[in-house]
Amino acid sequence: NAGVMQNPRHLVRRRGQEARLRCSPMKGHSHVYWYRQLPEEGLKFMVYLQKENIIDESGMPKERFSAEFPKEGPSILRIQQVVRGDSAAYFCASSRGRNTGELFFGEGSRLTVL
Amino acid sequence: GESVGLHLPTLSVQEGDNSIINCAYSNSASDYFIWYKQESGKGPQFIIDIRSNMDKRQGQRVTVLLNKTVKHLSLQIAATQPGDSAVYFCAENIGAGGTSYGKLTFGQGTILTVHP
Repeated sequence: NAGVMQNPRHLVRRRGQEARLRCSPMKGHSHVYWYRQLPEEGLKFMVYLQKENIIDESGMPKERFSAEFPKEGPSILRIQQVVRGDSAAYFCASSRGRNTGELFFGEGSRLTVL
Repeated sequence: GESVGLHLPTLSVQEGDNSIINCAYSNSASDYFIWYKQESGKGPQFIIDIRSNMDKRQGQRVTVLLNKTVKHLSLQIAATQPGDSAVYFCAENIGAGGTSYGKLTFGQGTILTVHP
């Protein structure tokens, strides 16, 4: 499967716990994006990363959220001390370069905070 | 502020009909627009894009029209099929001055239902 792989597909956490969402981009893609989708809404940009670098994190909440894309391994979106408002679908996407809006999205990770 | 929105939240058509999904945007600086399709439980799928120096672009069974004068974008689907049933999002990017064309602002979406 050469598509964008996200895991877990579903994650349940209690308030105050940590959530870690992983994303492996398509083979040959070095640009990764994270988007959040609340129910009945469109996707909201969170962060844009290239290998080992955060390029644009203007959509990330100032606290509790962080993202990385290490030299080896998947990109990680980490949410510390989750609150109910963090419940959403988190989508990762990748592209071959920065000069295209043709993003290849994964199937998403659905976070539920109890 | 910057926003991309849709005129119609739902659209129902019969199989074989043509579908037109509309989108309005408010940022005159937007220079790149994309349509995505999202099926239930899945991630968005790229359909077609258009840059602001174009008025029309065609793909397989789809056409995107851009009217910069009234800041309006539309997606036309020819001979709509049941498999086209999904939520359709328009998205915009201020590419020229931004970090990436992949940093998109999505609209709220239109639900397209195709009846056999």
